[in-house]
Amino acid sequence: KAGVTQTPRYLIKTRGQQVTLSCSPISGHRSVSWYQQTPGQGLQFLFEYFSETQRNKGNFPGRFSGRQFSNSRSEMNVSTLELGDSALYLCASKAPPAGGYEQYFGPGTRLTVT
Amino acid sequence: AQSVTQLGSHVSVSEGALVLLRCNYSSSVPPYLFWYVQYPNQGLQLLLKYTTGATLVKGINGFEAEFKKSETSFHLTKPSAHMSDAAEYFCAVSEGGSQGNLIFGKGTKLSVKP
Repeated sequence: KAGVTQTPRYLIKTRGQQVTLSCSPISGHRSVSWYQQTPGQGLQFLFEYFSETQRNKGNFPGRFSGRQFSNSRSEMNVSTLELGDSALYLCASKAPPAGGYEQYFGPGTRLTVT
Repeated sequence: AQSVTQLGSHVSVSEGALVLLRCNYSSSVPPYLFWYVQYPNQGLQLLLKYTTGATLVKGINGFEAEFKKSETSFHLTKPSAHMSDAAEYFCAVSEGGSQGNLIFGKGTKLSVKP
């Protein structure tokens, strides 16, 4: 089975712009979670989508949003970018109950805001 | 609220020596615990997990961890370090049991000296 894929892998944006990141989960996985990784704050949970509905949300401002499509692919959007949004954004898909609920991570999208 | 503390942001061992990475957690419900490894410019790879049952858990690449409820610990060990083990290691607890999002520790960077 192919793993979790994320596009693009690297992105450079300017303050005030918006950005959309994409994540394709492992085939058969219906849950997709997003995490932000920074040197200062570490790994922080952004949100989780399951069957096109947001099931869980972390403590991030409304500039961070996401959605999930019927094929389980997910996108996250960050509007009005700030310098502090520079981070590695990781997507993870979760195995169904029979698979033990494990989360499998993609390689991440490295976002740099200048 | 659940939390994870990893003692030591950097650990250095010699090749062939014991690897011990410490993790303590706080959880008001029976925890699901995980260890992930991250190599430079890559996503997270699951090393091992504890959900229920046997408290000594074996993972990939010769790693194992023991769940000790009385000490609220889930330390990661490997009897003999290899150069390829140099990476960053993250302990995580699943918030809300089997379907929750992951709460990560700050990570421990492992260096292996020849």
